[in-house]
Amino acid sequence: DGGITQSPKYLFRKEGQNVTLSCEQNLNHDAMYWYRQDPGQGLRLIYYSQIVNDFQKGDIAEGYSVSREKKESFPLTVTSAQKNPTAFYLCASSIGGKLTDTQYFGPGTRLTVL
Amino acid sequence: KQEVTQIPAALSVPEGENLVLNCSFTDSAIYNLQWFRQDPGKGLTSLLLIQSSQREQTSGRLNASLDKSSGRSTLYIAASQPGDSATYLCAVSRNAGNMLTFGGGTRLMVKP
Repeated sequence: DGGITQSPKYLFRKEGQNVTLSCEQNLNHDAMYWYRQDPGQGLRLIYYSQIVNDFQKGDIAEGYSVSREKKESFPLTVTSAQKNPTAFYLCASSIGGKLTDTQYFGPGTRLTVL
Repeated sequence: KQEVTQIPAALSVPEGENLVLNCSFTDSAIYNLQWFRQDPGKGLTSLLLIQSSQREQTSGRLNASLDKSSGRSTLYIAASQPGDSATYLCAVSRNAGNMLTFGGGTRLMVKP
């Protein structure tokens, strides 16, 4: 089955620790995205990548880092510099970075900082 | 800066009703608008995508309209069913890459 997988589904972290969220896709999509969703709010873009070995900051990149070493993978690291990391994190991908390319979303990872 | 607003934030209707969800955006220079569905604790599923040159799109019981000049879109759901209960999000695309600006969503409950 083709799709986007995110792991783990739930993640708990102590304050001051870095944590990495996984996002993998087997859709052969070039573009991948990370969003953050807070309760009752829409999604906000953290980082996006239109091609392997390239990525750009979104609207709320501070305290986050990404890498795109493989087409299939776009891991997100939430660093200790992120002041309020508890949120629902969603990864998405699209065939390319064109405006006509629909984004397909993974099931999300809920991160809770204890 | 583009801002997207969805009203109402929550809506509860009896099964069988036709209903309209609203989305407004402040900058009319958009390239397309999408409606998504999100079930609790899950990812998003794209429902309809309207290009800026289009006025509406239809898929089954769903119809989405777009009025760029007034900065508005509506999602019409005909003959609502309990399975339609979810949060509906609208998002507009910007002029760089394929970045989306999302509204806060409308949480819909359809009661049997």
